[in-house]
Formats: sequence, structure tokens, C-alpha cells
Amino acid sequence: KQEVTQIPAALSVPEGENLVLNCSFTDSAIYNLQWFRQDPGKGLTSLLLIQSSQREQTSGRLNASLDKSSGRSTLYIAASQPGDSATYLCAVRHFGNEKLTFGTGTRLTIIP
Amino acid sequence: GAVVSQHPSWVICKSGTSVKIECRSLDFQATTMFWYRQFPKQSLMLMATSNEGSKATYEQGVEKDKFLINHASLTLSTLTVTSAHPEDSSFYICSARKVAAQETQYFGPGTRLLVL
Repeated sequence: KQEVTQIPAALSVPEGENLVLNCSFTDSAIYNLQWFRQDPGKGLTSLLLIQSSQREQTSGRLNASLDKSSGRSTLYIAASQPGDSATYLCAVRHFGNEKLTFGTGTRLTIIP
Repeated sequence: GAVVSQHPSWVICKSGTSVKIECRSLDFQATTMFWYRQFPKQSLMLMATSNEGSKATYEQGVEKDKFLINHASLTLSTLTVTSAHPEDSSFYICSARKVAAQETQYFGPGTRLLVL
């Protein structure tokens, strides 16, 4: 059974700093991995999707990496802004299965 | 675009009543929709996968007779919580996958259910 863990559960950093969020998964036979953002009481916004054959994806100030063999992914946020404050979730998908297994999330607070 | 809406956004009901939640893909057709549940400070857990015109596939531990799912068209899926109890209080989120795009699920804004 796939287990997805995100550490830390919460993180506070001053505005302007770069930061890294971590995601680990137990079963490395994944099809892809996705990072989402969830604002309080809201749905999910997809940030980046990395296929199993890829090592990283970039969008603006966000960069996600994937090391499938070690079961790890990181989300790098450059020059953080207060608007980046949200909960960040990673989710993995396996071959032949559309089910997404979500991590426990990291609640990020950017301090102005 | 790929916009998914849910209605209602929040609902309060008495224990024992049934509640219906709608999930609509507004600008695309979705053969497959997914229903998730999220308890406070926990992650999303998949409840069921809904395919247009066929029976939903439920995850282990989810009671299909309690959580009725209907996916009657390519743009609408409904989740009915029957005989709701306080322990059913949660945040319910749906997602939809485009017919021609296998990669991404687009998520709705969620429905917060409170059962008194």
C-alpha cells in the first residue's frame, strides 16, 4: 500500500526567502507525481506534474524535482511571497490506476 | 479552461437526513469524476471513482449504500450522503478528468458538510 508523507507538517519563513518542501513515498513504481496548493476551506490548484520519466518541472518561481528510486520529491519555492501561504499537497499516481494518493500536506506561512 | 464547480459550497443538516452534492465540469466533458473526503487537518482520501453511465467504484471501507454516486452525464456527478450522521461531517471535494486528457484531474472548490 502506497504511503505518502510530507515533512514538515508546518513551516513559517520570512518573506523573500527560498524554501523547500519535501514529499516521500514508499512505492517507487509511480506513473506521475503532482504538487497541489490548497487555500483554507478551498479546493485544490494543481501546481506542477512530473511524469515518472522526468527529473523536474518548473513553473515561474516553483521547481519540483523527482527522484523515483529513492521515493522522494521536493518543491522549491524561490523568493517567497505572503501570497504563497497555503497548504501544499503532493500526490502520486500509479500505472494502470487513476487513483491519486495524497500526502499529509505542509502548511506554509510566509511572514511579511 | 478546465473549471469544476460544486454545489452547495456548504450545508448544515440534521442527523438522519440525506444531502446531495453536485459536481459539474463547466467547460469540458468528463467521463470520469472522483469524490474525495477531507477531515480537518488531514489529507484527501479518495472515496469513489465515478464513470459516466456506469456504476461507481468505491474504495475499501466506503459504504456504497451510504454514499450514493450518480454520473448521469458527461458534465455532472452527484454524491448523496444518505441518513447523515455527525461523523459524516467533512469537506467533500470532487475532481474531473477531461475525456481527451489522461493526465490531470481538475478539482472543485469543495463542499463543507456539517451534520448536527
